[in-house]
Amino acid sequence: ETGVTQTPRHLVMGMTNKKSLKCEQHLGHNAMYWYKQSAKKPLELMFVYSLEERVENNSVPSRFSPECPNSSHLFLHLHTLQPEDSALYLCASSQDRIQGWAPLHFGNGTRLTVT
Amino acid sequence: AQSVTQLDSQVPVFEEAPVELRCNYSSSVSVYLFWYVQYPNQGLQLLLKYLSGSTLVKGINGFEAEFNKSQTSFHLRKPSVHISYTAEYFCAVYNQGGKLIFGQGTELSVKP
Repeated sequence: ETGVTQTPRHLVMGMTNKKSLKCEQHLGHNAMYWYKQSAKKPLELMFVYSLEERVENNSVPSRFSPECPNSSHLFLHLHTLQPEDSALYLCASSQDRIQGWAPLHFGNGTRLTVT
Repeated sequence: AQSVTQLDSQVPVFEEAPVELRCNYSSSVSVYLFWYVQYPNQGLQLLLKYLSGSTLVKGINGFEAEFNKSQTSFHLRKPSVHISYTAEYFCAVYNQGGKLIFGQGTELSVKP
């Protein structure tokens, strides 16, 4: 089983739908992250959780709502999205948020298309 | 503000040729440097990292990178590439301020 698992792999939703992305890590890490990857743009950090507490929110619109019920699970709740939100959403985890040398372990992402 | 610049958006090479993917960063403080690789339809994987010590670091699959403080560069090299190395490569910088900044990526395309 891979270290970081994301579901679903693909998601197509209309602008009025509500959906959730799920991420689960089996590495015993304390920090989890949501990134947005759009074509021809650097990865955009959206949210960071450390020990289930949100420690960073990078000016993300409120139509994206994260949830971290425990250190192994991370969700991204989506509602009333816009077509420009179509992207690959990557979840990652790391051993410790404080120690920046700790590498990130990424899931395979959810390819989101907003119609 | 700290930034990471990957100088080439695309690098096409033939199989068994050497390759260098270039990365420059701007930072006035000590940094940690990383290269990640993203194969098609997958997430990013750590290729190698520089934290301190020897400026030449080795990673998986025979990749290596050299930290050059005076040039503020961290170029990735491979003496001979295989078709399976076709992927997107990301340089990233983490500074003491607690931010991990990714470059825009370099698409390596290895042709037979």
